[in-house]
Amino acid sequence: DAGVIQSPRHEVTEMGQEVTLRCKPISGHNSLFWYRQTMMRGLELLIYFNNNVPIDDSGMPEDRFSAKMPNASFSTLKIQPSEPRDSAVYFCASSWGRFLSGNTIYFGEGSWLTVV
Amino acid sequence: ELKVEQNPLFLSMQEGKNYTIYCNYSTTSDRLYWYRQDPGKSLESLFVLLSNGAVKQEGRLMASLDTKARLSTLHITAAVHDLSATYFCAVESKGGSEKLVFGKGTKLTVNP
Repeated sequence: DAGVIQSPRHEVTEMGQEVTLRCKPISGHNSLFWYRQTMMRGLELLIYFNNNVPIDDSGMPEDRFSAKMPNASFSTLKIQPSEPRDSAVYFCASSWGRFLSGNTIYFGEGSWLTVV
Repeated sequence: ELKVEQNPLFLSMQEGKNYTIYCNYSTTSDRLYWYRQDPGKSLESLFVLLSNGAVKQEGRLMASLDTKARLSTLHITAAVHDLSATYFCAVESKGGSEKLVFGKGTKLTVNP
């Protein structure tokens, strides 16, 4: 079975540029999560969706960040304009169920973003 | 606000030895997850603990949950080099918007 698929795997961009990260969750999963991982702050939940609807975006750092889930098989996380402090690994994850409820969350391979 | 603390954050151990990683959390929850991450890789689910007293074992790893003490442990038995990785615990927060809060991780190095 295909796992959570993310693209791009690596991106280097200049400060001020727009960055779009993409995610395809595991087929049949109806919850999708975007996490950010840095050395300083560890793993932080940015936003999660259930049935394509954003449920909690309180972790989104600021207005420069936006996320969409137009259908059950695709989500994007956009940063505009990007800043060096946005450099991190961005993980997309998915699970079955309305909320967590003890269901395993499966993570993608991550998108390694460097903003110079 | 739910806080999750792991200790130690760094652990260097000899092959064949036993050790325990601790995960403490600050508010009531009865669902706890353990993940493994290899350098530059994704997070791999190890265990999901769903109730007080839950114990799960896979190979040389055993995880347990004490919801009254708000404590989970990950016990490593007779460590081998392949267990070298970073181990994360994560706890489901309750009330309102439910989410999974991760600890900082424990970087384990097993030396021959």
